[in-house]
Amino acid sequence: AQKVTQAQTEISVVEKEDVTLDCVYETRDTTYYLFWYKQPPSGELVFLIRRNSFDEQNEISGRYSWNFQKSTSSFNFTITASQVVDSAVYFCALSEAQGAQKLVFGQGTRLTINP
Amino acid sequence: DAGVIQSPRHEVTEMGQEVTLRCKPISGHDYLFWYRQTMMRGLELLIYFNNNVPIDDSGMPEDRFSAKMPNASFSTLKIQPSEPRDSAVYFCASSFRGHHEQYFGPGTRLTVT
Repeated sequence: AQKVTQAQTEISVVEKEDVTLDCVYETRDTTYYLFWYKQPPSGELVFLIRRNSFDEQNEISGRYSWNFQKSTSSFNFTITASQVVDSAVYFCALSEAQGAQKLVFGQGTRLTINP
Repeated sequence: DAGVIQSPRHEVTEMGQEVTLRCKPISGHDYLFWYRQTMMRGLELLIYFNNNVPIDDSGMPEDRFSAKMPNASFSTLKIQPSEPRDSAVYFCASSFRGHHEQYFGPGTRLTVT
């Protein structure tokens, strides 16, 4: 069975600090996809990134970066120079590459950026 | 392009009443998903459709819940009769096969008193 674990329930940092959100996953599939979603206080779920299991290159998008390590089954998310607008709940998710496109979500990490 | 549209955004109803939640997926997407989010259980997949056909409804809590997708641009999730434990935020999401990322609607916050 697939499982996603986000061990950090809540993180609180001061603005401009860097912060890393951890995500560890379990799957027996050899090919799969990993995702990060953001849920701001307004409540909607916003897609941030998708990563294929066969592509372990790190990705950077502005202040956001993602580190995928297959050897440790981790897909961590770093925000550099955090801002108050980054305050949200962040979810890591996993899906099979073949067949069903069901997403299995972690429990989420609530990130609070204090001014 | 319009995103996933859900209505109503908020619903307050009394126990025993029928509740119908509505969703319009992104045009061209062939997968549609219904999720429920609660503090205790997080995000749970209830049911999903592919090309308007229900594929997996194993997440539907019980027979009080039903979902339909009569055409590619409309789906409903119905709860009859509703109970206080059904209070949650219900999200609809859609995706296009081969892309896998799902795009979520704004959600419907359901309160059953």
